Amino acid sequence: LAKTTQPISMDSYEGQEVNITCSHNNIATNDYITWYQQFPSQGPRFIIQGYKTKVTNEVASLFIPADRKSSTLSLPRVSLSDTAVYYCLVGDRGGSYIPTFGRGTSLIVHP
Amino acid sequence: NAGVMQNPRHLVRRRGQEARLRCSPMKGHSHVYWYRQLPEEGLKFMVYLQKENIIDESGMPKERFSAEFPKEGPSILRIQQVVRGDSAAYFCASSPPGRTTYEQYFGPGTRLTVT
Repeated sequence: LAKTTQPISMDSYEGQEVNITCSHNNIATNDYITWYQQFPSQGPRFIIQGYKTKVTNEVASLFIPADRKSSTLSLPRVSLSDTAVYYCLVGDRGGSYIPTFGRGTSLIVHP
Repeated sequence: NAGVMQNPRHLVRRRGQEARLRCSPMKGHSHVYWYRQLPEEGLKFMVYLQKENIIDESGMPKERFSAEFPKEGPSILRIQQVVRGDSAAYFCASSPPGRTTYEQYFGPGTRLTVT
């Protein structure tokens, strides 16, 4: 399984754009990149998944460079309610790998 | 369309008692996963089940823990003779058949406190 590395914590302010980068140097050809969000006292929530280039949905954008050794989750104009832990996962979407959640990145949005 | 349901949401047990945690997957989902989360830590995978089958239990402690997902009814995670170290949040997730195990839908969790 590809190992991921992401910052332990980040701070931001309301209205700013937040970019969280995840490193996955040994990503395999069949691996996809998936991000989850977890609010305090709740289960994680699937946010976005991608393979290469850029993916955008109503919640976030995911930027993946050509070498796929890293990815960046972009949250536009964050609000206080975006305070959460964000997990980056890498794995074969069609395989039987079980998602491995590390410590994630704890994002705190300040007023 | 109801999401993943877990009950109870909070469970208090004395050392040595048994804890039973229940998980009802989303409608149409036949894959269930159990995770444990200790305070200030990430989620640790415990077990992956399909109806009447344990697919992967590599994260389950060898003793006192068991899980099942019967043909009818919810999935059950059972912890026998609980100890203080079992205090944690236990999350269940489900995914539809034939879909990625990386797109899981999580329940709200059961917070187990062992006194």
